[in-house]
Amino acid sequence: DTGVSQNPRHKITKRGQNVTFRCDPISEHNRLYWYRQTLGQGPEFLTYFQNEAQLEKSRLLSDRFSAERPKGSFSTLEIQRTEQGDSAMYLCASSLDDRVDYGYTFGSGTRLTVV
Amino acid sequence: QQQVKQSPQSLIVQKGGISIINCAYENTAFDYFPWYQQFPGKGPALLIAIRPDVSEKKEGRFTISFNKSAKQFSLHIMDSQPGDSATYFCAASQNYGGSQGNLIFGKGTKLSVKP
Repeated sequence: DTGVSQNPRHKITKRGQNVTFRCDPISEHNRLYWYRQTLGQGPEFLTYFQNEAQLEKSRLLSDRFSAERPKGSFSTLEIQRTEQGDSAMYLCASSLDDRVDYGYTFGSGTRLTVV
Repeated sequence: QQQVKQSPQSLIVQKGGISIINCAYENTAFDYFPWYQQFPGKGPALLIAIRPDVSEKKEGRFTISFNKSAKQFSLHIMDSQPGDSATYFCAASQNYGGSQGNLIFGKGTKLSVKP
C-alpha cells in the first residue's frame, strides 16, 4: 500500500455535466472521508464512511452530491448538474477508527474545474 | 460559524528563525488537536497532534503549546528551514461516546522561509 489514491487528478467539465471521482484508501483503514478545499481555505468536511456505512453528511453536501463506498473498500463521489461553485479540490482521506492519534492519511486530491 | 480560527494568514520567516502559528477554538468538547502540513499539489499530512491533558508536545523541531483555559493552541517551528515552506492547518475534533468525530480545519497559514 502506497497511500490513498485519488483519480482523476484533474477534471475539467462543462456546467451542468455530471462528474464522478474515485478514492482508494489504505486497505486496512475502515474510515474514509471526503473533504472539499477551495483556494486559500482549509479542507471542509463533506461526508465519511465507516466500512460501507455512510455515518455523517455535512450540510455542504447538497442533493446534487452523492457518495458511496460499496463493500467498504474504494469510494466514489458523484456531483450531478455541476455548477461553477463546485470548482474546488476534492480530498479523500482514510484512517483507523481506533487509531485516531495516527491522523488521517490524505490523498493528493482531484481538482475540479467547472467552466 | 467558524469553530477553529487560525492566524496569521501568511508568515515570512528567515532561515533559522522561529515560526509561530496560532489557533483558537470555541467548542470545549474538542479533545484532539492536530496540525497538518500541505505542500502545493499534495494533500495535507499530519505533522504533530496533542490532547488537552498535556500543555506541550515536542517532536523534533515542531512543538505544540496548548492552553485549555484560553481555548488556544499554537505550533512552533524552531530553526525554520526553506523546506518548511508550506501551508499549515490546525484542526480539532471531539469524541462521541468512544468514537472520534471528523476533523474541523482552520483556514491555514502560508509559511515562507527565506534563505
